[in-house]
Amino acid sequence: EIVLTQSPVTLSLSPGERAILSCRASQSVGSSLAWYQQKFGQAPRLLIYGASKRATGIPARFSGSGSGTDFTLTISTLEPEDFAVYYCQQRGTWPPFTFGPGTKINVK
Amino acid sequence: EVHLVESGGGLVQPGGSLRLSCAASGFNFRVFSMNWIRQAPGKGLQWVSYMTSDERTIYYADSVKGRFTISRDNDRYTLYLQMNSLRTEDSAVYYCARGNDGYFDWWGQGTLVTVSS
Repeated sequence: EIVLTQSPVTLSLSPGERAILSCRASQSVGSSLAWYQQKFGQAPRLLIYGASKRATGIPARFSGSGSGTDFTLTISTLEPEDFAVYYCQQRGTWPPFTFGPGTKINVK
Repeated sequence: EVHLVESGGGLVQPGGSLRLSCAASGFNFRVFSMNWIRQAPGKGLQWVSYMTSDERTIYYADSVKGRFTISRDNDRYTLYLQMNSLRTEDSAVYYCARGNDGYFDWWGQGTLVTVSS
């Protein structure tokens, strides 16, 4: 089973700042990685798939990069609605599909 | 627009059973794989089960194998999860999610399952 780790656990930032989130896989997943956003009390929403492709309707301030074992989600300029928990997920080797433990972005 | 609406959650005693449903609309349900994913209170996401559009391929997480059964009715646009021999650690919000090339591109709002005596 591929284990995903995310860092940092929590990120304290202000609106307008840049957020950089990291996801590391225990073995290579190629570019088979996605990012999801989950706001409190809501279902997750797909942001990025294939490591760098934005899902339908996702603003351009969200970008993904990386391949192999190291991936990054960047939010170029934080909007108030971006404060949430972000999860990475791999489909490089499955089953099982696995998720990282999440990074929470909160208001500084 | 895609809509997924889960139902069937509730409070059940350890060892009991529940059947979850997920009603789909807004897309051709018959051609998409579907998944169940759960989230324990205050915890992260855990994939539970997967079924292809033609029902020929099914996978389960090890933690539920032999106790949970995924199924679907393509005429009714509905996904199911039969959960037997429930344990306290199965308590979670259960989401159905549409599969798209190994990613989960649409999610329902979830249904809460609480296993407690």
